Amino acid sequence: AQKITQTQPGMFVQEKEAVTLDCTYDTSDPSYGLFWYKQPSSGEMIFLIYQGSYDQQNATEGRYSLNFQKARKSANLVISASQLGDSAMYFCAMREGLGGSNYKLTFGKGTLLTVNP
Amino acid sequence: NAGVMQNPRHLVRRRGQEARLRCSPMKGHSHVYWYRQLPEEGLKFMVYLQKENIIDESGMPKERFSAEFPKEGPSILRIQQVVRGDSAAYFCASSPPVGQSSDTQYFGPGTRLTVL
Repeated sequence: AQKITQTQPGMFVQEKEAVTLDCTYDTSDPSYGLFWYKQPSSGEMIFLIYQGSYDQQNATEGRYSLNFQKARKSANLVISASQLGDSAMYFCAMREGLGGSNYKLTFGKGTLLTVNP
Repeated sequence: NAGVMQNPRHLVRRRGQEARLRCSPMKGHSHVYWYRQLPEEGLKFMVYLQKENIIDESGMPKERFSAEFPKEGPSILRIQQVVRGDSAAYFCASSPPVGQSSDTQYFGPGTRLTVL
């Protein structure tokens, strides 16, 4: 079974509008971390936001917020006030366990976001 | 504070040649990870190293691939006798020692390997 599922291969949004990128995950470990990375056309992987499984509040970083619904095992990324520079591939990733020997990131297949002017 | 450095950014090899990919972690980071991204796919874990130690190489192909992280110098991912299927983007990531404030992995810009 897929550990990370991103069901939207592509998304379109108008500049200045908000957009939600979906991510569901599958784990039996009570301790885990969820990450979102952005990959623009230039190819680098840029860390955006992190949510730990025990965090009480949804993570926020500037225009990025993570809608964490633990019971539904979803960790959707919300980008507010989209900008043209947000056009990129977005990857959701999970690390099962916290610290110690648990370190592998498992990535979804990604969502290609296009911001229209 | 310099980020994770990888070189070369692009590497072209003919079938049967060797490819050497280098990664210098962020300052203060002692953990290095290598991932491979095939076209239109997410990244897949290959190997996790600390200085002079391979901690987990469960994602590495059994043959032709090796990795090291010596006491001095960058981490090296080595692919011997490359084949066309090795064409991919190879990303290195680093993180601080376990127990420090952040366990986030920060990625380098990647090396795009093309095998002719």
